[in-house]
Amino acid sequence: GAVVSQHPSRVICKSGTSVKIECRSLDFQATTMFWYRQFPKQSLMLMATSNEGSKATYEQGVEKDKFLINHASLTLSTLTVTSAHPEDSSFYICSARDPDLVSEQFFGPGTRLTVL
Amino acid sequence: AQSVTQLGSHVSVSEGALVLLRCNYSSSVPPYLFWYVQYPNQGLQLLLKYTTGATLVKGINGFEAEFKKSETSFHLTKPSAHMSDAAEYFCAVTSNYQLIWGAGTKLIIKP
Repeated sequence: GAVVSQHPSRVICKSGTSVKIECRSLDFQATTMFWYRQFPKQSLMLMATSNEGSKATYEQGVEKDKFLINHASLTLSTLTVTSAHPEDSSFYICSARDPDLVSEQFFGPGTRLTVL
Repeated sequence: AQSVTQLGSHVSVSEGALVLLRCNYSSSVPPYLFWYVQYPNQGLQLLLKYTTGATLVKGINGFEAEFKKSETSFHLTKPSAHMSDAAEYFCAVTSNYQLIWGAGTKLIIKP
């Protein structure tokens, strides 16, 4: 089955620094990737939809200058949290859509970000 | 707009008992429906999905779900709960290739 990886799985950083999270589709080419944020005991909140070679589409209320998304290749999308603050601490999950299975998204294992 | 409602933020069952997690959706078009499971501090794993065809869908780990168009429901069941089933379960429906999520149901298994 389709596999999506995320790196790092956990990151702790100081307030004001930037953190980059990578999302890779390992055995398929993902023209579309999604970035989600999940608060404790809550469902997933879609942050943005990333299409290879074009600008990401951000959901309402998500600051595009704070959460930079780059989808430079068909197997890699990155989310950079710029000038992180404690309120950015969360669980970030990416997913990728296989063009041959457009009805389904395959999820990465998530990245736990803690901003001190 | 499409929406998904999961009845019960927590469901507690005894080991060996029937598991029933409820999901209702609203959609103006035939939906694709999904159940995902999430273990603590992990990503989501697809349990099963309904796209077209047979309305009773079998998934992994002994779970199954039935699409009932007349009731706009896609409830998840398992005949006999196991301790390893303790997790968070999310129902989702597609809309323009995006997933619309339910709020999730935490399944608690009592010994």
